[in-house]
Parts: sequence; C-alpha cells; structure tokens
Amino acid sequence: GQNIDQPTEMTATEGAIVQINCTYQTSGFNGLFWYQQHAGEAPTFLSYNVLDGLEEKGRFSSFLSRSKGYSYLLLKELQMKDSASYLCASYSGAGSYQLTFGKGTKLSVIP
Amino acid sequence: NAGVTQTPKFRVLKTGQSMTLLCAQDMNHEYMYWYRQDPGMGLRLIHYSVGEGTTAKGEVPDGYNVSRLKKQNFLLGLESAAPSQTSVYFCASSYAAEGEAFFGQGTRLTVV
Repeated sequence: GQNIDQPTEMTATEGAIVQINCTYQTSGFNGLFWYQQHAGEAPTFLSYNVLDGLEEKGRFSSFLSRSKGYSYLLLKELQMKDSASYLCASYSGAGSYQLTFGKGTKLSVIP
Repeated sequence: NAGVTQTPKFRVLKTGQSMTLLCAQDMNHEYMYWYRQDPGMGLRLIHYSVGEGTTAKGEVPDGYNVSRLKKQNFLLGLESAAPSQTSVYFCASSYAAEGEAFFGQGTRLTVV
C-alpha cells in the first residue's frame, strides 16, 4: 500500500528558511518527488531523490532517508513568489507504475 | 514550445452527458497520465499509458476510459458524467517512469 503524510499548511517570513516534511509508507519504494503548484496552475517539477542524502538546487534542497521513510524540502531565502502548494509524491515501479501524491502543503510567505 | 496542451480548459456537463478531454504533447514522451485533483485529496492517478496503443488503470479509474492511438495524444472519456466527477483534471507526460512529469494547464469540469 501507499501512504503519504505532509502538513496541510505552513507560514513563513520572507527571507527566512522553511522545511516542509513528508513521511511515506510505500511498498516497493523507488524514489521521492517534490512538485510546486501555484494556485490555479499546474504542478511543476522540483526534485527527485532516489539515494539517501541532501540534493541542492539553488535556493531549494531536498533530503531523503529511505530507512526512515522520510523526506523534506528546504527552501532558503524565501520570496513572496514561493507562496504555493508543495506536493510530495512517492514512486514505486514494482509490478506497475505507481506514483502516489500527498495532499500537499500550502506555504504562505508573509512580509 | 507548447509542451502539454489540454482541451478544453473549462466545461460544464449535465449528469449523464458524455465528453472527451484531449491531451497533446510535443516532447515525444512515452509516458502519459491523467490525474484528477480535488480539495483535500491531492492528485490521484486515473489512467496512464506507457506507450502508443497501451493504457493501464491507476488509482481511481471507475467511470473513465482512455485511448492512446497516437503517441502524442492521450484522450480521457467520461461516458456518463456524475456530480462526483466534478474536479480539476490534469494531463501529464514524461520521458520515463522516474522522470520529470510535465503537466498541462488543467481542465476544470463541473457536473450538475
């Protein structure tokens, strides 16, 4: 089975750092995606982690611990345009294609 | 560079009517997907395709049918629309199963 948990909402201040957590229980787990979705728009890809550890991409970093079933997205130097929903999704390719999305974390960046 | 294009963008249907949503991608991707997104539910996979002429069921396939007659197109059909199918539908495509998915702009469907 697949189960993804992430906080529903978070608020952070412009210029600050925020960490969005995601826990998963996925049989046949292969990797963990993060997508960004602005209100009324389509999701856009941020990262895909397969191996344990931290991967950095500019202001955004993503971390994975396979043994703990845990990932986080770290956003540095927050900007107002970072206000969006952040979707965590676990991928399992065992047998058939399975990409399970969490319900998303709505991040509000305030001045 | 169009990417993934969905038509229509908005539609209102009466219960029992049928319709087809069209998804077209110009990136030569093998994988294509249809998702629905409902408040508090996240994105849920309806059907997907791993190549021209192939389709498979996702998490919530009931009430929907799909076809992939051409590699660039993935059609989602509702044979007899129900109010429970009111949702935002997203099409996506990717080069590989573990690759970055590119999403269309979404179709907002209301069934009354």
